[in-house]
Amino acid sequence: DTEVTQTPKHLVMGMTNKKSLKCEQHMGHRAMYWYKQKAKKPPELMFVYSYEKLSINESVPSRFSPECPNSSLLNLHLHALQPEDSALYLCASSHLGGDSLGTQYFGPGTRLTVL
Amino acid sequence: RKEVEQDPGPFNVPEGATVAFNCTYSNSASQSFFWYRQDCRKEPKLLMSVYSSGNEDGRFTAQLNRASQYISLLIRDSKLSDSATYLCVVILTGTASKLTFGTGTRLQVTL
Repeated sequence: DTEVTQTPKHLVMGMTNKKSLKCEQHMGHRAMYWYKQKAKKPPELMFVYSYEKLSINESVPSRFSPECPNSSLLNLHLHALQPEDSALYLCASSHLGGDSLGTQYFGPGTRLTVL
Repeated sequence: RKEVEQDPGPFNVPEGATVAFNCTYSNSASQSFFWYRQDCRKEPKLLMSVYSSGNEDGRFTAQLNRASQYISLLIRDSKLSDSATYLCVVILTGTASKLTFGTGTRLQVTL
């Protein structure tokens, strides 16, 4: 199973809503990632979890709150977002170290619209 | 200057053509290099890693030139299904988990 799943596929939310994005993988990967991608732009790294601990936060605003409940799950909690946060949010996972560096498996993404 | 630069294209080529993309990177501490492919409204997928000795996978050939700090991707006998955005990706030494993406090169293969 080389699949990363994400739910929901689409999400529309108001600026006062609280919502969560979910990501799951069963490949035994110990690194998981959140990326944000705007139209016609490359993915931008937001957070990295290694062994279920937050290892990289790319100065993401606190209205985005990641959580890694276990080695297979990654959540992104959203609160008080702005319209400019509308984007495709991609989850990815990978092994850590060795020849696996750079081989990240991406989920299909959640397309988020903030009204 | 961006860390990883690519010509955004689009490159419009007929089926069967050979097309090449280049990517330059600014940080000499870059240690690992990859090409990812992203179809429209889909997620990125790893196409191939890039090694100093060059590597080939079917119709795709990747090369790395560390002295000039660029990598290339050559696609021979282009197929319609090759139409996608090709993302150059670099990992800097000491940032094992962090991929730095180029802006991507759009390829459109036509009949």
